[in-house]
Amino acid sequence: AQTVTQSQPEMSVQEAETVTLSCTYDTSESNYYLFWYKQPPSRQMILVIRQEAYKQQNATENRFSVNFQKAAKSFSLKISDSQLGDTAMYFCAFMSPSYDKVIFGPGTSLSVIP
Amino acid sequence: DAGVTQSPTHLIKTRGQQVTLRCSPKSGHDTVSWYQQALGQGPQFIFQYYEEEERQRGNFPDRFSGHQFPNYSSELNVNALLLGDSALYLCASSRRQYEQYFGPGTRLTVT
Repeated sequence: AQTVTQSQPEMSVQEAETVTLSCTYDTSESNYYLFWYKQPPSRQMILVIRQEAYKQQNATENRFSVNFQKAAKSFSLKISDSQLGDTAMYFCAFMSPSYDKVIFGPGTSLSVIP
Repeated sequence: DAGVTQSPTHLIKTRGQQVTLRCSPKSGHDTVSWYQQALGQGPQFIFQYYEEEERQRGNFPDRFSGHQFPNYSSELNVNALLLGDSALYLCASSRRQYEQYFGPGTRLTVT
């Protein structure tokens, strides 16, 4: 069974600084998808970034980028130039194409400090 | 383009009652998944519907059931409510194997 672990329950960062959120996962599959979702206090789950396991190149979306290490089963999220609106819960998630269900980690609460 | 919508926003029920939650998927999406998110935790997969049939199910009892309609909208039904069913219920839609888009959720409180 697949599992997703986020070892940092809470983190904080100064506005305009860079922060990295950690995620590790366990699977025996070779092809899968990884995601980072953001859930602000409004509770709307928002897709931040997506990575296909067969792609070696790390995904990037504006200020958000990932460090995907397939052999280590690690998938960290880097947020550059942090903004107050980045304050939210961040969930790392795994999806096997053969199952379609998304398995979430326990989340990291990120606070951006002015 | 409307995103995923859910109704109602909030709901308060008493132990033993039954509840129905509703979800309309994003335009162009044919698959609906339901998740339960307890306070301070990540979402847990309940089940997924595709072509009006339950395609996958997580580790939830039979008290949790669902339905998908021909227009791809979906309902989640929970019978014999327990206090532990209090949670945020999230609906997500997708087109087959692509990423899932989530609705705003329904906050269920069981007293």
